[in-house]
Amino acid sequence: NAGVMQNPRHLVRRRGQEARLRCSPMKGHSHVYWYRQLPEEGLKFMVYLQKENIIDESGMPKERFSAEFPKEGPSILRIQQVVRGDSAAYFCASSPDQTYEQYFGPGTRLTVT
Amino acid sequence: GEDVEQSLFLSVREGDSSVINCTYTDSSSTYLYWYKQEPGAGLQLLTYIFSNMDMKQDQRLTVLLNKKDKHLSLRIADTQTGDSAIYFCAEMRSSNYKLTFGKGTLLTVNP
Repeated sequence: NAGVMQNPRHLVRRRGQEARLRCSPMKGHSHVYWYRQLPEEGLKFMVYLQKENIIDESGMPKERFSAEFPKEGPSILRIQQVVRGDSAAYFCASSPDQTYEQYFGPGTRLTVT
Repeated sequence: GEDVEQSLFLSVREGDSSVINCTYTDSSSTYLYWYKQEPGAGLQLLTYIFSNMDMKQDQRLTVLLNKKDKHLSLRIADTQTGDSAIYFCAEMRSSNYKLTFGKGTLLTVNP
């Protein structure tokens, strides 16, 4: 059973470009969570999604950030017009229904130049 | 202040026990977790404990929870160099599914 998969593992974007981060949950998991880790910080919750639904986006910046988890395919975290402050590691986690166990992917390290 | 606090560094000798401490502020925390992060890697779920428990043991790992003092600890017996990593304490409240993390404790194991 493959774990949570994220791609790309490393992403470099120039200021003003768009970043798309992908997350494929573990097989059988229908809940996806995105977290951001700034340098020397713990992880901060961004958004919680189930298939085709955003359940809680209270940690998402109001502008430039969006997330989706379509019926088919991976979850996507999209950052428009990136700025240097968006440089961070973005982690995706997944869980099966009705449990409190979240399993994390290896992360995407975004660098904005 | 932060919801979850941990000391930032711990250094031990190989073969000794390590104890990593964590405090949290929210009395409605239902689940408390320990995750391990190796350099450049994702987070590995080590163990978690329900708030109605006070101890959980899993091989070399022992988790102790003092709910009155809102204090959580992770003890690693017979610490090995492969245990060197950052250890994150996290809590989840009963009302939602968000994990709230501490800043992590860097454990260094010296041969």
